[in-house]
Amino acid sequence: GDSVTQMEGPVTLSEEAFLTINCTYTATGYPSLFWYVQYPGEGLQLLLKATKADDKGSNKGFEATYRKETTSFHLEKGSVQVSDSAVYFCALQHSGGYNKLIFGAGTRLAVHP
Amino acid sequence: DTAVSQTPKYLVTQMGNDKSIKCEQNLGHDTMYWYKQDSKKFLKIMFSYNNKELIINETVPNRFSPKSPDKAHLNLHINSLELGDSAVYFCASSQAGVSTDTQYFGPGTRLTVL
Repeated sequence: GDSVTQMEGPVTLSEEAFLTINCTYTATGYPSLFWYVQYPGEGLQLLLKATKADDKGSNKGFEATYRKETTSFHLEKGSVQVSDSAVYFCALQHSGGYNKLIFGAGTRLAVHP
Repeated sequence: DTAVSQTPKYLVTQMGNDKSIKCEQNLGHDTMYWYKQDSKKFLKIMFSYNNKELIINETVPNRFSPKSPDKAHLNLHINSLELGDSAVYFCASSQAGVSTDTQYFGPGTRLTVL
């Protein structure tokens, strides 16, 4: 079945460091790919998405490119801030109907000053 | 304006009780969902409704019964609560239930079963 694998956390960085959170997926067909962020004590917010191969999603300085050849959707940010500390979830949504999000396990990011 | 709202935010109850969680969306979306987030933060779909019709039921115990009185509301009723039901439950909605749609999540309901 479909699945999403994320790098395990926690990821601890200093402010202004470069961030990469790896995400790979297994799916039949052509899923859409998403990154959601969960700040402490809050619900999930969409960070960015890409709906077809080679699309790049971007938002708030974060970027991810849909790579079909490597089945990956790695999240990057050039310079993280303390306010980026959160749990990041990679997810896919299948084109085969029923439209359920399949999430990775989440990666906790902690940014310190 | 809250797009997807859930009540209550916190729910603490005893084993064996019956409880309900309510969800409302004001986005005009056709599709609504329930997800469960366990203590390790893992998220999994439970149910999905499209225009009040159940379209996904992911091997959830039949103690859990979703009800959609109209397409803006999707409630979750849980009978005979068990310790393992303790989790955060998220409601979500999307426009049309296609793979490119973004799902918008509510703030979550933290259920604690004692």
